Amino acid sequence: EVQLVDSGGGLVEPGGSLRLSCAASGLTFSLFSRYCMNWVRQAPGKGLEWVASISYGSLYIYYADSVKGRFTISRDDAQNSLHLQMSGLRAEDSAVYYCSTAAGIGNYHFDFWGQGTLVTVSS
Amino acid sequence: QSVLTQPPSASGTPGQRVTISCSGSSSNIGSNPVTWYQQLPGTAPKLLMYTNDQRPSGVPDRFSGSKSGTSASLAISGLQSEDEADYHCATWDKSLDGYVFGTGTKVTVL
Repeated sequence: EVQLVDSGGGLVEPGGSLRLSCAASGLTFSLFSRYCMNWVRQAPGKGLEWVASISYGSLYIYYADSVKGRFTISRDDAQNSLHLQMSGLRAEDSAVYYCSTAAGIGNYHFDFWGQGTLVTVSS
Repeated sequence: QSVLTQPPSASGTPGQRVTISCSGSSSNIGSNPVTWYQQLPGTAPKLLMYTNDQRPSGVPDRFSGSKSGTSASLAISGLQSEDEADYHCATWDKSLDGYVFGTGTKVTVL
């Protein structure tokens, strides 16, 4: 079974940077590379918010308007991992960040989810 | 700011039927299939229903989904205590070129 482990969260000051990672197991390299990967976040006591998606081969990348220009999603298929480089962090970016898999981008659902990693932006 | 609207809460006694609505627009629900996620307290979301009415393996058949026009619904028949959770609808929005989620509904078993 696919397992996703999110890491890299922590406390950061406004304007700072943080790099999140998601490690996938239970998947061969060839299978992982075919998945589209996503980041979804959830602020405390709030609903889910999609952040970014990256297709297989990094051919297509999409961002929510709220993070465009500040966040960068990337993948390392050789390491079965996904990353989210976050810069220019704001208080409203404070949330639990989850990585998830999907068969594609668009008319596709998120099959598997990581356990989440908490990002707190505060001085 | 969620694009899809859900009631903040729903409740029922064990064995009852509970229905959760998800309202969107022509650019999201009206154009694309709807997914539902279940989030038990303190845990990550889990896929509950995809392509409007398809249950992944392992999801009990007391859960059912439907879509009509720009709205979708999730029904839980024979409500059980373990169904107490937050439920989120989601779909792709072709105008925003991104995924959109509902505001989330907390289901309480009385």
